[in-house]
Amino acid sequence: DQQVKQNSPSLSVQEGRISILNCDYTNSMFDYFLWYKKYPAEGPTFLISISSIKDKNEDGRFTVFLNKSAKHLSLHIVPSQPGDSAVYFCAASGLGARTSGSRLTFGEGTQLTVNP
Amino acid sequence: EAGVAQSPRYKIIEKRQSVAFWCNPISGHATLYWYQQILGQGPKLLIQFQNNGVVDDSQLPKDRFSAERLKGVDSTLKIQPAKLEDSAVYLCASTGGVYEQFFGPGTRLTVL
Repeated sequence: DQQVKQNSPSLSVQEGRISILNCDYTNSMFDYFLWYKKYPAEGPTFLISISSIKDKNEDGRFTVFLNKSAKHLSLHIVPSQPGDSAVYFCAASGLGARTSGSRLTFGEGTQLTVNP
Repeated sequence: EAGVAQSPRYKIIEKRQSVAFWCNPISGHATLYWYQQILGQGPKLLIQFQNNGVVDDSQLPKDRFSAERLKGVDSTLKIQPAKLEDSAVYLCASTGGVYEQFFGPGTRLTVL
């Protein structure tokens, strides 16, 4: 049962344009969402997150949008740069109020390629 | 601040052999995770430790996989005996907070 799905295995955009990566989830208990970026031969690195009490969170060129009714989130990168080329993972957590160490459920990832 | 360290980075073994992976989390991080990432898939949690106690090992194939975190710091993950389908990247992560996890570079295991 894939509770977090990224339906696009790959995305190719031109440098300077917007990249939009999508993620859908099925478990209504998820209340916190994260995006990770992964370069080859490295571990995933945290990029940006959003709590279910918000519908948007912005950090520089990166913005995450959350649509709870549709159980959908998206990551926007504007403007896209060649260094953004990587695999992007969506992850979700649904443990409510915790003091430490939540469990994350990851999507399959989307390979973003930004062409110069 | 030093990141999560893992070794070895690569390992090739024959099926039915045993293998062990080592992880040193970020200093002070109480929670440690082991993930399995099969090619083309996202990381899948195998086991979660809080200090030296197991919080969640529901997805660990306990007939062949074992893990320990003695003294609440370093951790080892062992596979015995290995199967072809165990070929994957094994990622270790740690956190001192609630949500954001910091990952090591992973160990790429190939089972022949």
